[in-house]
Amino acid sequence: AQSVTQPDIHITVSEGASLELRCNYSYGATPYLFWYVQSPGQGLQLLLKYFSGDTLVQGIKGFEAEFKRSQSSFNLRKPSVHWSDAAEYFCAVGGNEKLTFGTGTRLTIIP
Amino acid sequence: GAVVSQHPSWVICKSGTSVKIECRSLDFQATTMFWYRQFPKQSLMLMATSNEGSKATYEQGVEKDKFLINHASLTLSTLTVTSAHPEDSSFYICSAPGRGLRTGELFFGEGSRLTVL
Repeated sequence: AQSVTQPDIHITVSEGASLELRCNYSYGATPYLFWYVQSPGQGLQLLLKYFSGDTLVQGIKGFEAEFKRSQSSFNLRKPSVHWSDAAEYFCAVGGNEKLTFGTGTRLTIIP
Repeated sequence: GAVVSQHPSWVICKSGTSVKIECRSLDFQATTMFWYRQFPKQSLMLMATSNEGSKATYEQGVEKDKFLINHASLTLSTLTVTSAHPEDSSFYICSAPGRGLRTGELFFGEGSRLTVL
């Protein structure tokens, strides 16, 4: 069975600092991996996805993620966060239709 | 703009009544849509897969008679919470897989927050 673990429930980062959100997955085959962002009371927006090829994936809003098969990880990074990045971030794994989501990481940005 | 739209965004109802939530794909056809439920500060849990022209596929533990799903057209799926109770209060989100250039991406609606009094 596929599963996703986001070990950090809540992360606080100063504006302008770098960010890394962790994601570990379990999947029987080559996974499709996704990062979504959810602002309070809203739906989800896709930040980036990995299907195959280059293991470093660039997404929207300056985010990137690196697929590391040996570590079963797909960590999300951003070199310099902005106050508008405060939100809930979900890592997901699966086929391109049926996804399994992690429990999410809430990101707080402090001035 | 949004490619998947949900309506209503907010709904408050009395216990025992039924509530219908609509999910529309705005600029593409979706033979499949997914319905998720999200409890406060928790992840999304897949409830069911809505299939155009056939019965929905429910995940284990989801009551089919409680959560009625109808996929009447290629752009519309509805979720009806029947005889709602306070424990049904939650954030319900639908999604649809993209086609063509958007293959491989799930598009999510804005979500519908249900509060049952």
